[in-house]
Amino acid sequence: QVQLQESGPGLVKPSETLSLTCTVSGGSISSFYWSWIRQPAGKGLEWIGRISAGGSTNYNPSLKSRVTMSRDTSKNHFSLNLKSVTAADTAVYYCARDSPVTTEGHYDGMDVWGQGTTVTVSS
Amino acid sequence: SYELTQPPSVSVSPGQTATITCSGDTLGDKYASWYQQKPGQSPVLVIYQDVRRPSGIPERFSGSNSGNTATLAISGTQAMDEAAYYCQAWDSSTVVFGGGTKLTVL
Repeated sequence: QVQLQESGPGLVKPSETLSLTCTVSGGSISSFYWSWIRQPAGKGLEWIGRISAGGSTNYNPSLKSRVTMSRDTSKNHFSLNLKSVTAADTAVYYCARDSPVTTEGHYDGMDVWGQGTTVTVSS
Repeated sequence: SYELTQPPSVSVSPGQTATITCSGDTLGDKYASWYQQKPGQSPVLVIYQDVRRPSGIPERFSGSNSGNTATLAISGTQAMDEAAYYCQAWDSSTVVFGGGTKLTVL
C-alpha cells in the first residue's frame, strides 16, 4: 500500500524559498507521476506541478516562474521548491500520486494523497 | 488557461440524489475526475475517467460527462457524504481543478 508523507519547514520568511519533500513508501517513484497541490485555508485546491517517472516536469503556468520540482530515486522521494514566497503562498501543501495521460487522452487522476503539511509565510 | 466551474454549494435531503456539476469548454472531450474532501482531511478520489469508481468507493457515487458538463451524482445520500467535492481535468499539459462544491446534507 503506497503512502506519501510531506515534510519541511512550517514557517518560511517572505522572499525566501519554500522547500518541501514528499517521501514515498510502499512503492517506487520510478513508476507513476507525482504531483504537488496546495490549499489556502478555507479555499479550493490549486495544482502546482508534477514530475514524471522519468523526471520530466509540468508546472502550473501561474507558478511556473517560481517552481522547481525534482526527485531522488535513491531516497524514493520528490521535492518542491517555490522561490520568492509571499503571504499568498501560505497554504496546506499536499503531495499525491498522479497518473500518466495516454495518447488517447485517458487520465486517471490522483489516487493516493499525503496528509498535507501547513506552510505559513511570515516574518 | 482552462477553467472548470462548479456551484459553490449544493444541498440535499438524506436518502435523495445529490448532483454536482462541473462546466468547462468541451469538457466532454476530456476525462473528468472527482474528489471528496472532508474538513481537516486530504482529498479522496471518488470518480476517474468520467465514470469509474476506485476500489472502496461506494456504488452510490456515479459520474457522467458530455458536452461542456461533467456531473457527479450521489444516490441515497448519507450524512457521511457531507463534504467538499472538486472536479478535475487535464488540459494542455496541466492539471485543472474546479473551485469546489460544498455538499450539505440537510
